[in-house]
Amino acid sequence: QQQVKQSPQSLIVQKGGISIINCAYENTAFDYFPWYQQFPGKGPALLIAIRPDVSEKKEGRFTISFNKSAKQFSLHIMDSQPGDSATYFCAASAPPPDKLIFGTGTRLQVFP
Amino acid sequence: EAQVTQNPRYLITVTGKKLTVTCSQNMNHEYMSWYRQDPGLGLRQIYYSMNVEVTDKGDVPEGYKVSRKEKRNFPLILESPSPNQTSLYFCASSPDSYFQETQYFGPGTRLLVL
Repeated sequence: QQQVKQSPQSLIVQKGGISIINCAYENTAFDYFPWYQQFPGKGPALLIAIRPDVSEKKEGRFTISFNKSAKQFSLHIMDSQPGDSATYFCAASAPPPDKLIFGTGTRLQVFP
Repeated sequence: EAQVTQNPRYLITVTGKKLTVTCSQNMNHEYMSWYRQDPGLGLRQIYYSMNVEVTDKGDVPEGYKVSRKEKRNFPLILESPSPNQTSLYFCASSPDSYFQETQYFGPGTRLLVL
C-alpha cells in the first residue's frame, strides 16, 4: 500500500512533442505528490508538486494532472526539449511526519 | 551557496573493507536522509535522522549504520560491504523534520564493491 507505481520505464520523444509520465498509488492518506528531475551525475531536484485539493498545476512547460478518484497523477512536459532529457521520479507522502515514497523512475530522452 | 555535499563521489572497494561516505549540509536543516538508487527500483531510503542524536531505519537499513553527532553531518557507514551494496547513494536534507516534503539531494556517491 506504500508503493508508488511509475510508468513508462523509459520514454523517447521528439523535440517539440509532449512527454507524459504516469504514477499510481494505493495509500489514500497520501496528500503530497512531487516530481523530481535528475540529470546524469546529479542528485534529484524538485521540479513541481501538487496537493489533492487541485486537479492540475502548471509551471511553465510542466504540468501535473491529478485524479484523486483514480489515485493517479501524471507529469506532462509540453514542447519537450533536448535539455529535458533526464530521469524523472514521482513521489508521494502522507501528512507529516511521514516520509517520501518514490516511484521507480522514467528515463526521458528528447531527440532534436 | 546552499548545498548538500558528499564524499567521495566514486569509490571502488572490496568485500568486507569498512568504508564511510560523508554527507554535509550548510543549510541548518533538521532532517537528513540516505537513499540508494538502483535501476528499476528507484530511490529507497536507508536511514534518516530527525535531528542530532536521533536516527531511525528506513526501508533498506541492513548492512548500514549512521550517526548524527552534529546537525550538519550525517555519515553513512558500511561496516562490512558486500557486492549487493554496489549502488548509487544519495544524501538528502530537509529544512523541517516534521515537513519532510521538499528534500535537497547531494550529488551522489557511486560505490562498487568487488
